[in-house]
Amino acid sequence: KQEVTQIPAALSVPEGENLVLNCSFTDSAIYNLQWFRQDPGKGLTSLLLIQSSQREQTSGRLNASLDKSSGRSTLYIAASQPGDSATYLCAVRRSDYKLSFGAGTTVTVRA
Amino acid sequence: NAGVTQTPKFRVLKTGQSMTLLCAQDMNHEYMYWYRQDPGMGLRLIHYSVGEGTTAKGEVPDGYNVSRLKKQNFLLGLESAAPSQTSVYFCASSYGAANGKETQYFGPGTRLLVL
Repeated sequence: KQEVTQIPAALSVPEGENLVLNCSFTDSAIYNLQWFRQDPGKGLTSLLLIQSSQREQTSGRLNASLDKSSGRSTLYIAASQPGDSATYLCAVRRSDYKLSFGAGTTVTVRA
Repeated sequence: NAGVTQTPKFRVLKTGQSMTLLCAQDMNHEYMYWYRQDPGMGLRLIHYSVGEGTTAKGEVPDGYNVSRLKKQNFLLGLESAAPSQTSVYFCASSYGAANGKETQYFGPGTRLLVL
């Protein structure tokens, strides 16, 4: 069974600092990995999707890396802003349609 | 274009009562999913559907039933609610599972409290 872990569970940084969020998974036989953002009381919004054959994906201030062999992914958010405050979840997909989610890292960016 | 909508937003049930959660999407997606989110546990897949008239079990299907009679709708039923089903329920949809089509779009969630 795929286990997905996100550490730390919560993170607080001053505005302007770079954010580094970690995700680890136990089974390296993944199809892809996604990072989502969830605002309080809201649904999830997909941020980045990395295919198993890729090493990284970038979108604006966001960069996600994937090291399948070690079972790790990292989401970098450059020059954080208060609007980046949210919970960030990673999810890995096996060869079927199912996603296995981590519990998330709740980020607070202090102005 | 409303995306994925869920009805109701919040509901309180007594143990043993039944209810149906409705998910609707207007993106012509083939695949639809029901998840539950509990504190500290991330999202877990309850049931999913890869097309109209099809359904399949996910990770935690017990106590739930689903139906996909129309492509745009995916219903989640609780026949006899239990306190363990207190959770936030999310519906999601995607074009498919192939490259470039697998991004899932989520609804805003339904908060369910079972007393």
